[in-house]
Amino acid sequence: DVKVTQSSRYLVKRTGEKVFLECVQDMDHENMFWYRQDPGLGLRLIYFSYDVKMKEKGDIPEGYSVSREKKERFSLILESASTNQTSMYLCASSSQPGQETQYFGPGTRLLVL
Amino acid sequence: SQQGEEDPQALSIQEGENATMNCSYKTSINNLQWYRQNSGRGLVHLILIRSNEREKHSGRLRVTLDTSKKSSSLLITASRAADTASYFCATDPGKLIFGQGTELSVKP
Repeated sequence: DVKVTQSSRYLVKRTGEKVFLECVQDMDHENMFWYRQDPGLGLRLIYFSYDVKMKEKGDIPEGYSVSREKKERFSLILESASTNQTSMYLCASSSQPGQETQYFGPGTRLLVL
Repeated sequence: SQQGEEDPQALSIQEGENATMNCSYKTSINNLQWYRQNSGRGLVHLILIRSNEREKHSGRLRVTLDTSKKSSSLLITASRAADTASYFCATDPGKLIFGQGTELSVKP
């Protein structure tokens, strides 16, 4: 079975802090994604990557950056956390090109004070 | 507005009953997927139906797709308390877009 893990289930940070959210998948998937999930807004795509060192902006990239130095790891970076970035962050991966089945991690619930 | 919109937003049924959730979308798609999310967890893929398919089954799940009406339905038969979760459709008009979900509550 595909396993996608995220570094933390819960995280509390202060405004202005730099925040790193890590995601690791163990199935050699080419594609990895970061979403945020908010009540009433559903899942929104922040960034995605189709290959190592490659990244593409999603629908809401502002305030975020990403890093993919190794195929199995995709990091989401909040350069200077703000309260409006309090959310559930979900990482996903997929094997096929395009937008076939995605496998999700358990999520990180981030609270920015 | 969302590409995929689920209906109803919330559904409450008794164990053993069937649950039907609907998804409407706006543009042409390559495929449509359904996912489940248990409270506070990640999403789990349930089933994928391609644009040239009309119906697909997986265990107690039955998915239909009507591309002329741009709609899909997910039927869960003989529901169980463990089916309590949020259910999302995701459409693929080039990239995967998730709806806001239907919250299903199955009471013992």
